[in-house]
Amino acid sequence: GQQVMQIPQYQHVQEGEDFTTYCNSSTTLSNIQWYKQRPGGHPVFLIQLVKSGEVKKQKRLTFQFGEAKKNSSLHITATQTTDVGTYFCAAKVYNQGGKLIFGQGTELSVKP
Amino acid sequence: NAGVTQTPKFQVLKTGQSMTLQCAQDMNHEYMSWYRQDPGMGLRLIHYSVGAGITDQGEVPNGYNVSRSTTEDFPLRLLSAAPSQTSVYFCASSNSGGAYNIQYFGAGTRLSVL
Repeated sequence: GQQVMQIPQYQHVQEGEDFTTYCNSSTTLSNIQWYKQRPGGHPVFLIQLVKSGEVKKQKRLTFQFGEAKKNSSLHITATQTTDVGTYFCAAKVYNQGGKLIFGQGTELSVKP
Repeated sequence: NAGVTQTPKFQVLKTGQSMTLQCAQDMNHEYMSWYRQDPGMGLRLIHYSVGAGITDQGEVPNGYNVSRSTTEDFPLRLLSAAPSQTSVYFCASSNSGGAYNIQYFGAGTRLSVL
């Protein structure tokens, strides 16, 4: 079954509102990566977190890795129409070889 | 530097037909993988390869074959297409130790099986 669960599946926001997507696993993760896929496009790497409790920022985007390394979040402050797309987390699960397991993705739409 | 190139971009097949989705990368990456993307299911790993001559199964390998004769190429074969294989297929590559490295994705192949 799905080892990396991502919620919500869809999020509709007004431009300027904040947005958060969550990635959860029942097992410990070695790392977590985040990707963005624009409509009709392909996934593009955003960032990777490796350390327990790690927080990284990219302009209006804040990424967190949980202390227990079982969850992660992506928060966008003051969304813009350019943020539209699907955000995926992807993780390497301990003892699962070299495979990267993707979450189901959160589709973000932004109303101007 | 083209990155990851997938062909074709679109394909329509009849049930039972066979075809090969092509994937090539020019970044000298050791790790290559194939994913399928379906609504609400995210990206599911079909097969992956950690180097030439080495392949392994992912989450949903049934109905698909792969081979890796060169570092650059990683074709995905559908031997007898089924409607359940209608999907968008992405090829990706990364440096060795794939799960710790940036995955570079191709533009995708949109496949319909009638």
